[in-house]
Amino acid sequence: DAGVTQSPTHLIKTRGQQVTLRCSPISGHKSVSWYQQVLGQGPQFIFQYYEKEERGRGNFPDRFSARQFPNYSSELNVNALLLGDSALYLCASSFTTGGFGEQYFGPGTRLTVT
Amino acid sequence: GIQVEQSPPDLILQEGANSTLRCNFSDSVNNLQWFHQNPWGQLINLFYIPSGTKQNGRLSATTVATERYSLLYISSSQTTDSGVYFCAVMKTSYDKVIFGPGTSLSVIP
Repeated sequence: DAGVTQSPTHLIKTRGQQVTLRCSPISGHKSVSWYQQVLGQGPQFIFQYYEKEERGRGNFPDRFSARQFPNYSSELNVNALLLGDSALYLCASSFTTGGFGEQYFGPGTRLTVT
Repeated sequence: GIQVEQSPPDLILQEGANSTLRCNFSDSVNNLQWFHQNPWGQLINLFYIPSGTKQNGRLSATTVATERYSLLYISSSQTTDSGVYFCAVMKTSYDKVIFGPGTSLSVIP
């Protein structure tokens, strides 16, 4: 079975632009979570979606938004990009009826903002 | 919110040596996972261990939830074990996942 997939692998954007990152969970997983990892730090939780509803949100500004589609795939959108948004963005999926179950991570999207 | 600490922050081992990595957390949690992040950034599941002990080959983990810590044991280390090891805790009522700062492990031949 395929693992969690993310696209694109790498992305370069300019300050002020908007970006959309995509994630496809493991087949059968209904929960998707997004994380930001800056160099030298642990991943920081951004959002969790379960059954297309937001179930958790980290301490990120409103420039960050996400959604989950009927097939359980998800998009993360970041508006008005700042240099500090440069990071590895990770998506994780889990099979859970609620809360957080065992999470499986995708390879990530490396975003560079210039 | 929950605070997560990991120790040591950095570790250098000779190939074949054993090591113990520790994760302390400041509040009761529902779930805990250990991950290995390889040099390419991929987070690899090691253990899902909210309590008790599990073993997988050369690796084992123990979580003592009542005392708020978890240990990851690596035996007979190999160069492929190099990377950063993270613990992550989850508390349903907080609706978020908190990662520790990680332990950077280098295994040298």
